[in-house]
Amino acid sequence: DIVLTQAPLSVSVTPGESASISCRSSKSLLSSKGITSLYWYLQKPGKSPQLLIYRMSNLASGVPDRFSGSGSETDFTLKISKVETEDVGVYYCAQFLEYPFTFGSGTKLEIK
Amino acid sequence: VQLVESGGGLVQPGKSLKLSCSASGFTFSSYGMHWIRQAPGKGLDWVAYISSSSGTVYADAVKGRFTISRDNAKNTLYLQLNSLKSEDTAIYYCATPGGDWGQGVMVTVSS
Repeated sequence: DIVLTQAPLSVSVTPGESASISCRSSKSLLSSKGITSLYWYLQKPGKSPQLLIYRMSNLASGVPDRFSGSGSETDFTLKISKVETEDVGVYYCAQFLEYPFTFGSGTKLEIK
Repeated sequence: VQLVESGGGLVQPGKSLKLSCSASGFTFSSYGMHWIRQAPGKGLDWVAYISSSSGTVYADAVKGRFTISRDNAKNTLYLQLNSLKSEDTAIYYCATPGGDWGQGVMVTVSS
């Protein structure tokens, strides 16, 4: 199975500052079609997860452009610029390249 | 897009339960669908996937016990849970590959 390792476990950010979350894959997530199958989700307290980034760097519909995704075949970063209080929650990376699909263990973002 | 799960509840170990996910706002028959679960206070755990042509794939932890299916005429996704174990206790979400999730339904397995 593909293992996704997220870091840090938690991050505390002052509003207006930036935050970065890392996700490392145990295997390349680049498909034969040239698509990197890495996704980022945010689960706000008491809510269902919502898609932020698909295919490593594409912003999902309705997601503020303060969020951005980047990376290589195995190392990925979610960056949140100018963090707002509404950004609190747990961030998960996920791979949908091969079965079983897997998620990272999550990074909790808190506001200072 | 709207996804609404139902059918959860409290069930004894070894018993069965059937979850439903009613879909609207998109052409349900054209898309594959996932079931993903989240144990209390834990992370996300992919359970099963069904393609638009009804091909299925399962996580090892549920293979042989859970069955994913769909009824395109009713725009509904199902998950049949058999031989339930305490470790199956979780919120179960249906989700589209496009990133839409339902609100989830709680399944509690306990005697």
